[in-house]
Amino acid sequence: EAGVTQFPSHSVIEKGQTVTLRCDPISGHDNLYWYRRVMGKEIKFLLHFVKESKQDESGMPNNRFLAERTGGTYSTLKVQPAELEDSGVYFCASSQDLGGSEDGYTFGSGTRLTVV
Amino acid sequence: LAKTTQPISMDSYEGQEVNITCSHNNIATNDYITWYQQFPSQGPRFIIQGYKTKVTNEVASLFIPADRKSSTLSLPRVSLSDTAVYYCLVGDGNYGQNFVFGPGTRLSVLP
Repeated sequence: EAGVTQFPSHSVIEKGQTVTLRCDPISGHDNLYWYRRVMGKEIKFLLHFVKESKQDESGMPNNRFLAERTGGTYSTLKVQPAELEDSGVYFCASSQDLGGSEDGYTFGSGTRLTVV
Repeated sequence: LAKTTQPISMDSYEGQEVNITCSHNNIATNDYITWYQQFPSQGPRFIIQGYKTKVTNEVASLFIPADRKSSTLSLPRVSLSDTAVYYCLVGDGNYGQNFVFGPGTRLSVLP
């Protein structure tokens, strides 16, 4: 079974530019989560999709961040315009059941975003 | 949200059993305890989850006392490849935001 795939693995952009991160969850997983770790800080929750619906986006830092999950399959996270403090690693996770089932959430390897 | 406290780092030697204890004094009735492992440049990987008493799988054991205010992850006979950061998470799991990542415990396994 393929795991959670994130693309790109690394991205370096200039301040003010736009970047779009993509996450392909495990096939059939209705729940998709975005987390991020900014430099020196802990991993923080951003938002949660159930299929194509945003179940909770309370962790989104501001309106420069837009997440979508059209069709309930893959998800994108767009940062526009990017700021220096957006640099960090963005993780995506998916699960079939709420609570992560017996195998927990499956995380992707993350996208390392560097804003210069 | 329940806050967890773990040792920042631990050292061990190959072949030893490692026990990492996590404190979660404010754990709620509906909360589960979940442990994740993270290697550099990878996302966290699920290890084990429990609610009370003892849970064991092919990788680890999780011991939870009756008051559930702490838990201990036990890794039997660690190897060099077990060097990683281990996170203790507490939440009801209904939504991702209930899993609050702390700094974790950086385990270093020495030869």
